[in-house]
Amino acid sequence: QLHLQESGPGLVKPSETLSLICSVSGDSIRTTDYYWGWIRQPPDEGLELIGAIRYSGDTYYNPSLRSRVTMSVDTSKNQFSLVLRSVTAADTAVYYCTRRRANLNWYDPWGQGTLVTVSS
Amino acid sequence: QSVLTQPPSVSAAPGQKVTISCSGSSSNIENTYVSWYQQLPGTAPKLLIYENNKRPSGIPDRFSGSKSGTSATLGITGLQTGDEADYYCGTWDFSLRTDVFGTGTKVTVL
Repeated sequence: QLHLQESGPGLVKPSETLSLICSVSGDSIRTTDYYWGWIRQPPDEGLELIGAIRYSGDTYYNPSLRSRVTMSVDTSKNQFSLVLRSVTAADTAVYYCTRRRANLNWYDPWGQGTLVTVSS
Repeated sequence: QSVLTQPPSVSAAPGQKVTISCSGSSSNIENTYVSWYQQLPGTAPKLLIYENNKRPSGIPDRFSGSKSGTSATLGITGLQTGDEADYYCGTWDFSLRTDVFGTGTKVTVL
C-alpha cells in the first residue's frame, strides 16, 4: 500500500526558504503514469496546488507561485522535495504531498500533512 | 481566487440526500475529468470520486459523481453524521496549465 510522509521544519522566518521532503513507501517513484505533487491549505481556507513533478523531471507549477518554487525528485531515496523561497505570512499553511495520476486529474493517496508557520 | 465555484455549505437531515455543484468553464471542467475529495475535520483530503463518476475501492455507492458541460455534481444519499466534512472538486485548467480546486463545500448533517 502506497504511503507518503512529509517532513521538514514547522517554523520558517519571513524572507527565508521553506524546504520540505516527501518520503514515498510501498511503490517506486520511478513511474511515468504518475506525477508527485505538493498541495497546501492555509488555515480555514481551501486547497491550492503548488506544483507537481514526474520522476523524469517533467514539472508544472501554480502560475502564482512559479517564480518562488522548485521541485525535485531523488529516485535513489524514493523521495521528492519542495523549495519555496522568500516566504511571507501568507505562506503559512498545512502542506500535503500526494500522487497525481497523469492525464486523469486525480490525487491519491495524500500524506497526513505538515503545518508550516512563517513567523519571526 | 479559485476558478471552480462551489456553494459554501449544504445541509440535510440524516438519511436525506445532498448535492454539491462545481461550476467551471470550457477551460477546465467541460474538456477534462473531474475528481472529488472529502476532508474530514483535522485530516488530509481523501479521493472520493475520480474521472467524473468512478469510486475508489472502499467508497460506498452512496457517493456519486456526474458532469454536464461546464459543471460537475457530487451526490450523497443516505446522509450520515460521519459524512460531515468539507468537499472539494478538482480538475485541470488548460488556460492556466495547472490543477485547480473548487472553493469547497461544508456538509452539515442536521
